[in-house]
Amino acid sequence: DQQVKQNSPSLSVQEGRISILNCDYTNSMFDYFLWYKKYPAEGPTFLISISSIKDKNEDGRFTVFLNKSAKHLSLHIVPSQPGDSAVYFCAASAEGSNYKLTFGKGTLLTVNP
Amino acid sequence: SQTIHQWPATLVQPVGSPLSLECTVEGTSNPNLYWYRQAAGRGLQLLFYSVGIGQISSEVPQNLSASRPQDRQFILSSKKLLLSDSGFYLCAWSRLAGPQETQYFGPGTRLLVL
Repeated sequence: DQQVKQNSPSLSVQEGRISILNCDYTNSMFDYFLWYKKYPAEGPTFLISISSIKDKNEDGRFTVFLNKSAKHLSLHIVPSQPGDSAVYFCAASAEGSNYKLTFGKGTLLTVNP
Repeated sequence: SQTIHQWPATLVQPVGSPLSLECTVEGTSNPNLYWYRQAAGRGLQLLFYSVGIGQISSEVPQNLSASRPQDRQFILSSKKLLLSDSGFYLCAWSRLAGPQETQYFGPGTRLLVL
């Protein structure tokens, strides 16, 4: 049972445009959500997170939106840059789970110059 | 600042051989520590986590084991590797306090079992 789903394995956008990466979850106990960026043969790098008490968190070009009723979150990157090309993982944790993260399978973002 | 190290970076091992991967964290005390595996074309799967020295929780049944001999050292081991153990192994840490803590990952070890 996959509790965190990233249904788009890949996404291609033009430089300067908006990239929207989506993530759905099924476990209503999740209360903390994170996005990681991963280059090949490297460890994931933390990008941005959001608590379930918020519906939006912004950090520079990155904004995460959370829709709890739909159990859906999205990562917006504006403007997209070629250096943003990487695999993006959505992850979630639930209070009392010893901070264990459940990851989606990732979405490969390609930003074309 | 905190840093996390993993070694080796790459490892090629024959089936049936033993395994030892090491992870160390600097710049923090009493971290939670985690081992993940990313198999080809798949997401990150949590293998083990530890909330303190000698305290190991296993998430999936397998022929791997983990140990935490020191506060900031986490070791992943196997007595006999299988072909299916090939993958990218990641160590991560998070602070112990707080209900919502971010995990920070090391550079990873690429393991190829032949």
